[in-house]
Amino acid sequence: QLQLQESGPGLVKPSETLSLTCTVSGGSISSSSYYWGWIRQPPGKGLEWIGSIYYSGSTFYNPSLKSRVTMSVDTSKNQFSLKLSSLTAADTAVYYCARQDYSSSGSNFFDYWGQGTLVTVSS
Amino acid sequence: SYELTQPPSVSVSPGQTATITCSGDKLGDKYACWYQQKPGQSPVLVIYKDSKRPSGIPERFSGSNSGNTATLTISGTQAMDEADYYCQAWDSSNVVFGGGTKLTVL
Repeated sequence: QLQLQESGPGLVKPSETLSLTCTVSGGSISSSSYYWGWIRQPPGKGLEWIGSIYYSGSTFYNPSLKSRVTMSVDTSKNQFSLKLSSLTAADTAVYYCARQDYSSSGSNFFDYWGQGTLVTVSS
Repeated sequence: SYELTQPPSVSVSPGQTATITCSGDKLGDKYACWYQQKPGQSPVLVIYKDSKRPSGIPERFSGSNSGNTATLTISGTQAMDEADYYCQAWDSSNVVFGGGTKLTVL
């Protein structure tokens, strides 16, 4: 059974950079047809896609966050990571990592999710 | 940018059919999927490719997508189906989520 686990700080100061890592177990991050994504959810609000990365390093980013987002992948550790810079209180959210089933036909969906990690931006 | 619109809330009586809509420009030309999220839990995929159910999802969950609207239907709704539901599509290399619908079973 595929499992994903987010790790990183729970509290970050404004203007700093958030770094999160997602560790994948029970399967290989190098599997074809799958991207690996980050999604966030501010308290009491809806889901917002941040971006997705393929094991080769190819990425898709949300245009509204693109200037602040960097994603990377480490196939040797079966991990992928997120960096989000210039944080403000509006970035306070539960951050999820998930596996994205990707098809060139346009079918894209997240079939496995991590448990999520709450990140609070505050001084 | 592409937008998906959902009603904020839907109410249904136990045993009845719940219908949740998701609207977007020419959404029927894309694939839609649906997630269920209960309080304090991660989202769970309940429908993908418009109408397919992942393994383990009850048959009472079904989906359709045509024109500008995708629809999630829950037949014989149970109390355990009370949750937030989100639609999602892929547009111009971007993942787009709807705003979510709170389903109340009362």
